[in-house]
Amino acid sequence: AQTVTQSQPEMSVQEAETVTLSCTYDTSENNYYLFWYKQPPSRQMILVIRQEAYKQQNATENRFSVNFQKAAKSFSLKISDSQLGDTAMYFCAFMKAAGNKLTFGGGTRVLVKP
Amino acid sequence: EAGVVQSPRYKIIEKKQPVAFWCNPISGHNTLYWYLQNLGQGPELLIRYENEEAVDDSQLPKDRFSAERLKGVDSTLKIQPAELGDSAVYLCASSFSGTGLNEQFFGPGTRLTVL
Repeated sequence: AQTVTQSQPEMSVQEAETVTLSCTYDTSENNYYLFWYKQPPSRQMILVIRQEAYKQQNATENRFSVNFQKAAKSFSLKISDSQLGDTAMYFCAFMKAAGNKLTFGGGTRVLVKP
Repeated sequence: EAGVVQSPRYKIIEKKQPVAFWCNPISGHNTLYWYLQNLGQGPELLIRYENEEAVDDSQLPKDRFSAERLKGVDSTLKIQPAELGDSAVYLCASSFSGTGLNEQFFGPGTRLTVL
């Protein structure tokens, strides 16, 4: 079974600064996907960024980037130039390459301060 | 394109009462998921449908929870009778399961409060 761990319950950051969220996972699979989801207070879970395990290059989506360390089973999310609208819960999630089941971490609450 | 639709958004009931949640997935998505999200935690899968068939319901408490997906489109999740511990957010998601990544799209959820 896969497990996903997010060790930071809450992070705060000043507007326009950078924050990095940690995620570690445990799996015996070699091919899989990793995701970061954002869940604002409205509750709609939105995909922020994804990474295929077979790709060595770290994924980036505008102000969001990841640091994927496969050997260490680490998948951190960096939010650059933080905006007030980035305030939300952020969930790291794992999915086998040939599967459909998402396994989520416990989440990190990010608060962007003006 | 419309996203995943769920109703109601909020539901408050007395314990031992029945309750039902409805989900309409994105058009064309053959896979539908129901997740349970307790306060301050990540979602956990309750059941997954491939078209009309429930292919993964190992985490669904079958003594009180039931689900159906008639005609492989809309789905209903029911709890009967509800217990205090069932207070949570129930999320529905859908995806198109073909080759490659089966990206899941989530609805806004139903927040259930059991008194």
